[in-house]
Amino acid sequence: EAQLVESGGGSVQPGGSLRLSCAASGFNFRSHAMNWVRQAPGKGLEWVSYITTSGSSIYYADSVKGRFTISRDNAKNSLYLQMNSLRDEDTAIYYCVRDSVSRWFSYFDSWGQGTLVSVSS
Amino acid sequence: QSLLTQPPSASGTPGQRVTISCSGGSSNIGSNGVSWYQQLPGTAPKLLINNNNQRPSGVPDRFSGSKSGASASLAISGLQSEDEADYYCAAWDESLNVWWFGGGTKLTVL
Repeated sequence: EAQLVESGGGSVQPGGSLRLSCAASGFNFRSHAMNWVRQAPGKGLEWVSYITTSGSSIYYADSVKGRFTISRDNAKNSLYLQMNSLRDEDTAIYYCVRDSVSRWFSYFDSWGQGTLVSVSS
Repeated sequence: QSLLTQPPSASGTPGQRVTISCSGGSSNIGSNGVSWYQQLPGTAPKLLINNNNQRPSGVPDRFSGSKSGASASLAISGLQSEDEADYYCAAWDESLNVWWFGGGTKLTVL
């Protein structure tokens, strides 16, 4: 069974940086694209970023473009999110999410438990 | 702000059938598969439906999905108290290369 465990969350001041990590196990990590999805307190889900199996294609939500960087290390079965220039509105639980494909269409079939990022002065 | 529109709330009594709608556009729902997620209080979301109407193993057949044009629906039949949760639709937008989630629908079992 797939398992995704996030780490690296915490409290940071506006303008600061954090690096989130996601350790994957129980499946062939290098065969799946991966995503980060976040959820602000009391709010809905917001997709943040996507990376293909090799890292050759990467996409970001407009709200984080230019500030966040997604990456992966297939040898370590790990996904990362480098977050710079953090803002109050980046406060959220960040989920590491596995992407799967069926009949050409993608979906999110495995979610981590999430790590909380709190941006406040 | 999401390009996928869901009603903020829905409700039903045990045993009833409820539906939750998700409206999008031609570049997202109209062109790609819709997936649905259930989020129980205090937990991570869980995949409920993929590819418009496919149920992963372990998801009860009380849950079903459909799509027509740029809109999709999630139906829950034989409503149970444990179905009380937030429900989200999602679709890839091929014009913008982003994923959209609906704003979420809070389902209350009366």
